[in-house]
Amino acid sequence: GQNIDQPTEMTATEGAIVQINCTYQTSGFNGLFWYQQHAGEAPTFLSYNVLDGLEEKGRFSSFLSRSKGYSYLLLKELQMKDSASYLCAVRDSNYQLIWGAGTKLIIKP
Amino acid sequence: DTEVTQTPKHLVMGMTNKKSLKCEQHMGHRAMYWYKQKAKKPPELMFVYSYEKLSINESVPSRFSPECPNSSLLNLHLHALQPEDSALYLCASSQEASEAYHEQYFGPGTRLTVT
Repeated sequence: GQNIDQPTEMTATEGAIVQINCTYQTSGFNGLFWYQQHAGEAPTFLSYNVLDGLEEKGRFSSFLSRSKGYSYLLLKELQMKDSASYLCAVRDSNYQLIWGAGTKLIIKP
Repeated sequence: DTEVTQTPKHLVMGMTNKKSLKCEQHMGHRAMYWYKQKAKKPPELMFVYSYEKLSINESVPSRFSPECPNSSLLNLHLHALQPEDSALYLCASSQEASEAYHEQYFGPGTRLTVT
């Protein structure tokens, strides 16, 4: 079967750094996406990784290791507005997105 | 314009009602999607349209009926729903359905309550 695992919830402090991990087992791999979703709102695209390594985009970076079936999203200089759920999604061999359950990130002052 | 719009934002309907959800995008995307999302769960794919043709139906009950009148519009017709169908219904679009790197753009969703 297809499976994506993320921690259910994480807490971090404003100004700090947090790493949200995602492990996956899917039928094929055509890239991994990270989305941010604030409560009651639609998911918004953050990053896409298809090759191994780190992609940096401002305060957010995403890392992929295909051999380990592993990715992480790194958020630096945390702000209160970063409180949201972070969804990891893998595009499988049929080009369908397989979604993780999401990690709820709580930022404390 | 990188926006996907959905109407209505909120909908309350009885189990015998018929209603429709609407989605629109003007980004020239050729793939459009309907998702259902329950609280604290990830989006659950319902339907995929590619070039205005239904390409994926994820075994969705027939009380949900999708329609793609043209490349910019996507509807979801609802009839005889059950209370457990209450959820956030998200529409999304992407340039192509079968290209790996194209991200999906989501609309704000319709919060549906079935009474």
